[in-house]
Amino acid sequence: NAGVMQNPRHLVRRRGQEARLRCSPVKGHSHVYWYRQLPEEGLKFMVYLQKENIIDESGMPKERFSAEFPKEGPSILRIQQVVRGDSAAYFCASSPGQGAEAFFGQGTRLTVV
Amino acid sequence: QKEVEQNSGPLSVPEGAIASLNCTYSDRGSQSFFWYRQYSGKSPELIMFIYSNGDKEDGRFTAQLNKASQYVSLLIRDSQPSDSATYLCAVNLYTGGFKTIFGAGTRLFVKA
Repeated sequence: NAGVMQNPRHLVRRRGQEARLRCSPVKGHSHVYWYRQLPEEGLKFMVYLQKENIIDESGMPKERFSAEFPKEGPSILRIQQVVRGDSAAYFCASSPGQGAEAFFGQGTRLTVV
Repeated sequence: QKEVEQNSGPLSVPEGAIASLNCTYSDRGSQSFFWYRQYSGKSPELIMFIYSNGDKEDGRFTAQLNKASQYVSLLIRDSQPSDSATYLCAVNLYTGGFKTIFGAGTRLFVKA
């Protein structure tokens, strides 16, 4: 009974490189959320996706960040040309439907050097 | 006004006491409410969810919802040192599809 799987758990990138974060939801869940968390801070909403659709990306920076949740395969959060300020923990959560409880993955800790 | 507000704490209670955590939200249209626990360096873990006004109990935890006052709380009875964590309140908002917004969290310390 696999929960939400995120990989990698830790990712180190140099400034200007691309970071690609993956999230496989709970089997049967078609709703995925991405959040960013800085140390000692709360979870900041980034984007909400359903299969093949972006429902709400109001929390995503307009540049360099993109997300997808294809029909097949994991959801991907992509950060292009990373900067030091992108260093954070990125959590993915999935739920079986709108308004339902969401379950979190273990997160990807991104460090930009 | 923030969409979901919590007192950041820290809230300190002695072992065996009742810990009371509070949360207010701004959108009257919100329909689903959640409490998560997050230990330092770990991912959030769902504790309770509540959809209807009133109380919902699960073991030592009770969630209370008052939609008229836009207020949701979490009570932890017989608090244990292992309950020491950050507690996150989350609310579903409808923006063309429900998205879940989190408060900044309340840090709870249970003293042995």
